[in-house]
Amino acid sequence: KNEVEQSPQNLTAQEGEFITINCSYSVGISALHWLQQHPGGGIVSLFMLSSGKKKHGRLIATINIQEKHSSLHITASHPRDSAVYICAVATSLNDMRFGAGTRLTVKP
Amino acid sequence: GAGVSQSPSNKVTEKGKDVELRCDPISGHTALYWYRQSLGQGLEFLIYFQGNSAPDKSGLPSDRFSAERTGGSVSTLTIQRTQQEDSAVYLCASSLLGTSQSTQYFGPGTRLTVL
Repeated sequence: KNEVEQSPQNLTAQEGEFITINCSYSVGISALHWLQQHPGGGIVSLFMLSSGKKKHGRLIATINIQEKHSSLHITASHPRDSAVYICAVATSLNDMRFGAGTRLTVKP
Repeated sequence: GAGVSQSPSNKVTEKGKDVELRCDPISGHTALYWYRQSLGQGLEFLIYFQGNSAPDKSGLPSDRFSAERTGGSVSTLTIQRTQQEDSAVYLCASSLLGTSQSTQYFGPGTRLTVL
């Protein structure tokens, strides 16, 4: 079993839909990161969380430390949100463990 | 420049040759990371530098891989006697502080192809 599990693996949505991507982890962490990788390959960090909830525009990230679970929500999805979303955890040893990614396609 | 830069952007080499990949982090960032992403695979952590030192090198795939960072800035990842399984995109990232304290900024990557 991977230390960082994401679901779903693939997700297709219609423009305007509310989207949720889930991440569960089994190791002790100091922080959790959500990353976005566009088809061209560039990676952008969306959020870094160690507790609670963060919001940036239409994106919301939450983390439940007790349940070892995080969610990334996208409200009013748009085709430009189409990308691979990656959950990554920073362990207490300062290394990073990655989920396999969720490929999101938003259709107009 | 304002972002993390990596060079070369593409590298094609023959099996058995050594390659050196370079990363220029954002000025003032103390933490630097190397990752790789094989075709169709997820991201894999290789090594982390805080300043010039790497506390743990166990993420490097084999003893053919080495990395150094000098002057708290530029880092090089060296792969000796390259093998076909080393083909991947090698990504560098930097952050102001360590992994639990600040956002990582990623470079565009170096695509390595070993023939």
